[in-house]
Amino acid sequence: KAGVTQTPRYLIKTRGQQVTLSCSPISGHRSVSWYQQTPGQGLQFLFEYFSETQRNKGNFPGRFSGRQFSNSRSEMNVSTLELGDSALYLCASSSRDRGLGETQYFGPGTRLLVL
Amino acid sequence: SQQGEEDPQALSIQEGENATMNCSYKTSINNLQWYRQNSGRGLVHLILIRSNEREKHSGRLRVTLDTSKKSSSLLITASRAADTASYFCATLPMNSGGYQKVTFGIGTKLQVIP
Repeated sequence: KAGVTQTPRYLIKTRGQQVTLSCSPISGHRSVSWYQQTPGQGLQFLFEYFSETQRNKGNFPGRFSGRQFSNSRSEMNVSTLELGDSALYLCASSSRDRGLGETQYFGPGTRLLVL
Repeated sequence: SQQGEEDPQALSIQEGENATMNCSYKTSINNLQWYRQNSGRGLVHLILIRSNEREKHSGRLRVTLDTSKKSSSLLITASRAADTASYFCATLPMNSGGYQKVTFGIGTKLQVIP
């Protein structure tokens, strides 16, 4: 089975721009979560999608949004980029119906640099 | 704030030695997981321990859980240079209602010197 894939792997943007990141979960997994990882804050949960519905959301501003498609692929969007948005964005998928209490499988991440 | 907090933040040992990392958390949990992350990469799941378990083994890994102290430890025995990575604990609070509230700590950076 192919693992979780994320595209693009690296991205450089300037302040004020917007960006869309993509995640394809493991085949059969319906839960997809997004995390932001920075050296100072560690892994911060952004949101989780299950069957095209956002099930939970972390404490991030509304500039961060996401969606999930019928094939479970997910995208996250960040509008009006700020320098502090520079981070590694990780996507994780899980097969469990009841949230992510079980194993999450992570993708390699998208490294975003905002200049 | 982080639910799980790893300690130490960084650890450097010689190959062959054992490495112990600790994780403390604040609220009652359903389960606790340990993950490894190689530099700039995604996280790899290592082991999951449920709240009614006290110890779990997987190869050279041993995880303990003390719910009375709200803490867990990860022991890597006979460390290898390839074990160099950051290690994170992740907790799922009790009664999270099936919704995703898994919280990761800041991590412990382990360096194994050949």
